[in-house]
Amino acid sequence: AQSVTQLDSHVSVSEGTPVLLRCNYSSSYSPSLFWYVQHPNKGLQLLLKYTSAATLVKGINGFEAEFKKSETSFHLTKPSAHMSDAAEYFCVVSDRGTGFQKLVFGTGTRLLVSP
Amino acid sequence: DTAVSQTPKYLVTQMGNDKSIKCEQNLGHDTMYWYKQDSKKFLKIMFSYNNKELIINETVPNRFSPKSPDKAHLNLHINSLELGDSAVYFCASSQGVTGYEQYFGPGTRLTVT
Repeated sequence: AQSVTQLDSHVSVSEGTPVLLRCNYSSSYSPSLFWYVQHPNKGLQLLLKYTSAATLVKGINGFEAEFKKSETSFHLTKPSAHMSDAAEYFCVVSDRGTGFQKLVFGTGTRLLVSP
Repeated sequence: DTAVSQTPKYLVTQMGNDKSIKCEQNLGHDTMYWYKQDSKKFLKIMFSYNNKELIINETVPNRFSPKSPDKAHLNLHINSLELGDSAVYFCASSQGVTGYEQYFGPGTRLTVT
């Protein structure tokens, strides 16, 4: 079965500094990977996805992630944090073991952005 | 112009009651899902329907019964509510059973007292 591990439950940054949210995955075949963001009391929004095309994936709001098969990682980065980036971020792997897509979520990383 | 909508947004009820949560999507998708997010923010899939047919049914108590009257709607009925059912329930939709992009609704916060 597929799984993801988000290495940090909380990450704190100052506005204008880089953001790094770490994610490692486990998959028995070539995975599809996603990052979703959840702002307080809101639903989940897709930030970006990797589906075996380019290994560097660009998403919305200046976020990007790099798929590294050798390290089984899919870390999320942003060069300069904005106050509005404060939210919960989920790394997600697609489990297609049954032929149907099922998203398996990590435990989330809360990003705190200070002025 | 909401893509995936859920009603109600908040639901407070007592143990033992029966309640329903409704979900509608206007994206033209043919696959819909229910997820449960617990107090630690962990999200887990419960059910998935494709063209009104159940395709994913995780280990969920049979007090939970999803119903899909058409492709645009997936409702969740819960019988005999328990304290442990308190959570945020999210509906989502995608195109196709291998649809990579799932679009989520705003969630329904269920509190059982």
